[in-house]
Amino acid sequence: NAGVMQNPRHLVRRRGQEARLRCSPMKGHSHVYWYRQLPEEGLKFMVYLQKENIIDESGMPKERFSAEFPKEGPSILRIQQVVRGDSAAYFCASTLGGGNYGYTFGSGTRLTVV
Amino acid sequence: AQSVSQHNHHVILSEAASLELGCNYSYGGTVNLFWYVQYPGQHLQLLLKYFSEDPLVKGIKGFEAEFIKSKFSFNLRKPSVQWSDTAEYFCAVNENYKLSFGAGTTVTVRA
Repeated sequence: NAGVMQNPRHLVRRRGQEARLRCSPMKGHSHVYWYRQLPEEGLKFMVYLQKENIIDESGMPKERFSAEFPKEGPSILRIQQVVRGDSAAYFCASTLGGGNYGYTFGSGTRLTVV
Repeated sequence: AQSVSQHNHHVILSEAASLELGCNYSYGGTVNLFWYVQYPGQHLQLLLKYFSEDPLVKGIKGFEAEFIKSKFSFNLRKPSVQWSDTAEYFCAVNENYKLSFGAGTTVTVRA
């Protein structure tokens, strides 16, 4: 059981480029959550997705950020035209069902914008 | 929305010392509370969780936490730490499917 797989582990982008972060949930899990951890802060909820549906994106910045979880393949968090303030650790978690059913977290992607 | 505050940003202690990490949350009715640990370079792992049972919760690796409703607290404890407990510790409270996290406490255990 490979757990939640995130890649890449580290990503460096220049200002204005696009960043794509991938998350493969645990086998059998169909609920995916993205969290962002800014320096010196705790993890902040960004978005909750099920296969082909965005359930809650209330934590996503209104511009430049988007997320998807297609029928096949990993969930993708996409950041267009990155800025220095996007530098953070982005964590993905998955659950079997919604609610409190034991999040399993990935190791995160550390995005650095230079 | 729930908010979670962790009292200490960085704790340094020696092996065999006792550890207590403070966590307070904002009131929001019935709560489920969690402590997660992140070892260097690894993913977040669940240490323990409170789901309205006994207020004293036992977790993995000798950790325990006590839920005190009157104080809105859920402090983490370990009687005797080891060097391998060096990690970052996060307290979290849930709102349905969302987790609200504290800022984390970095624990450094010196051999």
